[in-house]
Amino acid sequence: QVQLVQSGAEVKKPGASVRISCKASGYSFTENFMHWVRQAPGQGPEWMGLINPSAGGTNYAQKFHGRVSMSSDTSTSTVHLELTGLRSDDTAVYYCARIYCDRGDCFTHAFDLWGQGTMVTVSS
Amino acid sequence: QSLLTQTPSASGPPGQRVTISCSGSRSNIGQNTVNWYQQLPGAAPKLLIYSNSRRSSGVPDRFSGSKSGTSASLAISGLQSEDEADYYCAAWDDNLRIYVFGTGTTVTVL
Repeated sequence: QVQLVQSGAEVKKPGASVRISCKASGYSFTENFMHWVRQAPGQGPEWMGLINPSAGGTNYAQKFHGRVSMSSDTSTSTVHLELTGLRSDDTAVYYCARIYCDRGDCFTHAFDLWGQGTMVTVSS
Repeated sequence: QSLLTQTPSASGPPGQRVTISCSGSRSNIGQNTVNWYQQLPGAAPKLLIYSNSRRSSGVPDRFSGSKSGTSASLAISGLQSEDEADYYCAAWDDNLRIYVFGTGTTVTVL
């Protein structure tokens, strides 16, 4: 079964860090770039960045530079998102999302497979 | 404040056609393709339309997308109750170097 399964909900204090995992199964993990998108309560989605699971290259949204890190473990088909210096406005559902590829054609920002989401609550 | 502006809501009775608009600028919609996502309550977004007008696998042909200049639109014909959801347009922005989602449109089936 083709799916992305994320780690469970987290509750963190301001200033702490959080690490979320996203395990891929049912397809060739290294063939599709993976993106991270978050969604604050009642808000629209917000793009955080992407990782090439094969080579490990990343591209982060400027807003998160210095606080975000994305990594990939090909041995377990898992990508990780780490966000440091958490603030209350980081409270959101965090999603990993795979880009859509069709017979070798990849559509860089079309996400056809999403994880179930990980709720991160930042509260003192 | 999102760079892509959508009408906050749209509605219609079952069977009607509804159109959702997405207004951007040259640096995003003007220069790049538009994708559309549907989000049901409590669920992850689902890819409906990619590359302006191509339907994702399994998406019924009641959904169609188009783009002209710095605007895009999503049309839902033959509206059904299961179409009640939030809809987001999205496109890469060349100036800010980010993938930006629209403000979202809530579709209600009357």
